[in-house]
Amino acid sequence: GAVVSQHPSWVICKSGTSVKIECRSLDFQATTMFWYRQFPKQSLMLMATSNEGSKATYEQGVEKDKFLINHASLTLSTLTVTSAHPEDSSFYICSARVARTSGFTDTQYFGPGTRLTVL
Amino acid sequence: AQTVTQSQPEMSVQEAETVTLSCTYDTSENNYYLFWYKQPPSRQMILVIRQEAYKQQNATENRFSVNFQKAAKSFSLKISDSQLGDTAMYFCAFMILSNFGNEKLTFGTGTRLTIIP
Repeated sequence: GAVVSQHPSWVICKSGTSVKIECRSLDFQATTMFWYRQFPKQSLMLMATSNEGSKATYEQGVEKDKFLINHASLTLSTLTVTSAHPEDSSFYICSARVARTSGFTDTQYFGPGTRLTVL
Repeated sequence: AQTVTQSQPEMSVQEAETVTLSCTYDTSENNYYLFWYKQPPSRQMILVIRQEAYKQQNATENRFSVNFQKAAKSFSLKISDSQLGDTAMYFCAFMILSNFGNEKLTFGTGTRLTIIP
């Protein structure tokens, strides 16, 4: 249980194009999903928190117009990197939270990540 | 702001030995969760173990156990009978509990653990 998938697992694109990454919770409903970025040999950096049906909350320093997040359903969130540039090349990871009925949060389960390379 | 510190960037141990990874955190909150996640070369983040701060009993999952010292704000991970498959990056993480549903994980910088055959 608690499986999260990401698609694609890797993508190469040209500078200036946009890339969409999908994050799906396969066997549970996720009211909240999170998007992280990870540089080589570094920790995960939270980019934004995504709640189903509402606007995402971005961390300080993350450009909301560049990293568009849509959480259209309880099982799907998407991250679109708009007008990508080489400095956007990174490993992007999503996670989904399995919420307890009591209202308190539970554990985040992570997707396998997407490696983006911008040429 | 909450901070999580992992003071051991790299560690290595012989297969079948026991190893302890350290983690300290700083917070003024009283209700929170602590986690250890493992990231093997595949880069898939895998939950290893979690601890609720209000529980005094240390969490245990098979060969993995924690030593949670709330007053000292310490949360170490002990891996017993280490196996080659334990080779990975290990991240300590912290999350404040609230009723709002947007709780964020704060990660440490990680410890790269290598199990030597």
